[in-house]
Amino acid sequence: GAVVSQHPSWVICKSGTSVKIECRSLDFQATTMFWYRQFPKQSLMLMATSNEGSKATYEQGVEKDKFLINHASLTLSTLTVTSAHPEDSSFYICSARDPGTVIVGEKLFFGSGTQLSVL
Amino acid sequence: ELKVEQNPLFLSMQEGKNYTIYCNYSTTSDRLYWYRQDPGKSLESLFVLLSNGAVKQEGRLMASLDTKARLSTLHITAAVHDLSATYFCAVTNYGGSQGNLIFGKGTKLSVKP
Repeated sequence: GAVVSQHPSWVICKSGTSVKIECRSLDFQATTMFWYRQFPKQSLMLMATSNEGSKATYEQGVEKDKFLINHASLTLSTLTVTSAHPEDSSFYICSARDPGTVIVGEKLFFGSGTQLSVL
Repeated sequence: ELKVEQNPLFLSMQEGKNYTIYCNYSTTSDRLYWYRQDPGKSLESLFVLLSNGAVKQEGRLMASLDTKARLSTLHITAAVHDLSATYFCAVTNYGGSQGNLIFGKGTKLSVKP
């Protein structure tokens, strides 16, 4: 079945540095990918929608200059957390829709997640 | 604004018992998803429910959808320890960013011997 690969699985960084997270669709082309954030023991909250070849759409309250999203190809979206601070520590998960499943159930596939810890 | 409510949020049950998790949503949607998440892991897709009256079963889990009542249930039959995890329901947000999912808060299930 379709697989979404997310890398890295975990990252520890110093406050003020930037971290890049990659999300790849391995066997389908994804024009749209979603980035979610999950704080401990909480649900997933959508941060932004990544659109191939155009600007990302950010949810209310998410700083677009802090969370840079690039979707340069149909199989890769990246999320860069710029000037990270301890409050950015969270579990980040990407997802991608397999367009071939629109009729049969529109499956969204999730990456394995990235645990970011900012010291 | 689409809201998704799950209950209970915490569920401790003994092996062999049955229980149901409920998922209510506030506006019309014809696609409801159930996911399982183990600690520190991503989401595992369990069910996609597409129409009113849809019922799907996999092992000890059965999910149903009532679009008129805007309610989905996840029924657990004869629970076993391996089912311990957090279960999320999610609904497609057609009014949002290109059909992203809105998640419930999750139900943390703990099955004890």
